[in-house]
Amino acid sequence: DAGVIQSPRHEVTEMGQEVTLRCKPISGHNSLFWYRQTMMRGLELLIYFNNNVPIDDSGMPEDRFSAKMPNASFSTLKIQPSEPRDSAVYFCASSPRRSGLISPSTDTQYFGPGTRLTVL
Amino acid sequence: RKEVEQDPGPFNVPEGATVAFNCTYSNSASQSFFWYRQDCRKEPKLLMSVYSSGNEDGRFTAQLNRASQYISLLIRDSKLSDSATYLCVVRATGRRALTFGSGTRLQVQP
Repeated sequence: DAGVIQSPRHEVTEMGQEVTLRCKPISGHNSLFWYRQTMMRGLELLIYFNNNVPIDDSGMPEDRFSAKMPNASFSTLKIQPSEPRDSAVYFCASSPRRSGLISPSTDTQYFGPGTRLTVL
Repeated sequence: RKEVEQDPGPFNVPEGATVAFNCTYSNSASQSFFWYRQDCRKEPKLLMSVYSSGNEDGRFTAQLNRASQYISLLIRDSKLSDSATYLCVVRATGRRALTFGSGTRLQVQP
């Protein structure tokens, strides 16, 4: 069973360039989350989708960040223009929770391997 | 105040030792609780869910104290392979997203 797939695994870019991170959630999962992890701030939620609809984007740092989920099997996180302070590991996670069903097992989030972004 | 607080460590313990981590959360409406494990330069992975009555999985025991709003993780007979960062995670009622603590680093030494 394939887990969450992210690409690229590493990205090095120059300040001002556009960066697009990609995520394929686990098949059948209906929630998708984008996180950013840095040494200073730990793991921060950026945005999450439920059934392809953005539910909470309050963690998105600023207008330079945007996320889309055009279908149940694909999501992108775009940074335009990128800045050195955006350097971090970006994780995508998916969760199998179904609407109305609450249990620890359906709350569990499965993380992808992350994209390590360096903005020079 | 952070929503989930953990002692960052590191906890340096010899193989075979018992080690305990605590975590406190500020939102009394928190509903689900987890411990995740993160190895260096890897993604977080679920270690175990934490149930109200406490639960055990092999060498690992998790406890929840709702009155005091803290969660604990006990690791018995530590192995070298237990070396990792342990993340305390909570989900508040009405919120879909999880909130992660900054993690406690464990280093098990031979």
